[in-house]
Amino acid sequence: EPEVTQTPSHQVTQMGQEVILRCVPISNHLYFYWYRQILGQKVEFLVSFYNNEISEKSEIFDDQFSVERPDGSNFTLKIRSTKLEDSAMYFCASSLGGGSTYEQYFGPGTRLTVT
Amino acid sequence: AQKVTQAQTEISVVEKEDVTLDCVYETRDTTYYLFWYKQPPSGELVFLIRRNSFDEQNEISGRYSWNFQKSTSSFNFTITASQVVDSAVYFCALSESSGQNFVFGPGTRLSVLP
Repeated sequence: EPEVTQTPSHQVTQMGQEVILRCVPISNHLYFYWYRQILGQKVEFLVSFYNNEISEKSEIFDDQFSVERPDGSNFTLKIRSTKLEDSAMYFCASSLGGGSTYEQYFGPGTRLTVT
Repeated sequence: AQKVTQAQTEISVVEKEDVTLDCVYETRDTTYYLFWYKQPPSGELVFLIRRNSFDEQNEISGRYSWNFQKSTSSFNFTITASQVVDSAVYFCALSESSGQNFVFGPGTRLSVLP
């Protein structure tokens, strides 16, 4: 069964450093998403991406964040200058379509630790 | 704005007991979808169910059942004859018709004791 994959599973970085989290969505999916879950808290929507541009983003997704689909398979989340409060689990998801009739498939997550 | 509330922060039950996890939502859309996800200790999000706003039929899948009550804006989840492997955090989520912004509830941590 096709699945969303994410690398690395755990990333440790120093405050102020740039970090790139990578996701490989399901191959025929067209919509891509990033979510964040601070330890022990709820999952929060960051951004959705379609046709090579952001279609929706939350208040959390400020200028420190950017997303890109650099090639036909990867979908990346870049944090330019990490802060301690960026420490969280980051989930990538993809869906075949953009309406809520389409299930979003989640990856296993990347745990980001900022020290 | 949409909102999902899961009033139960933590629940503990003994194996084989039935347990119901509550979910109450708010939305102005008439078309929306409700979801339940399971997050086991390993951390991944496991899809359990999706329900659209026009289908109020209750659903049963093995030991799992869901009760959608539009009149009270609730979408509760019941596990019958709970097992230790059911121990996890369970999230209820809402997606309005655009489908692009999931709102998750705060989650309920279920501990099933042997």
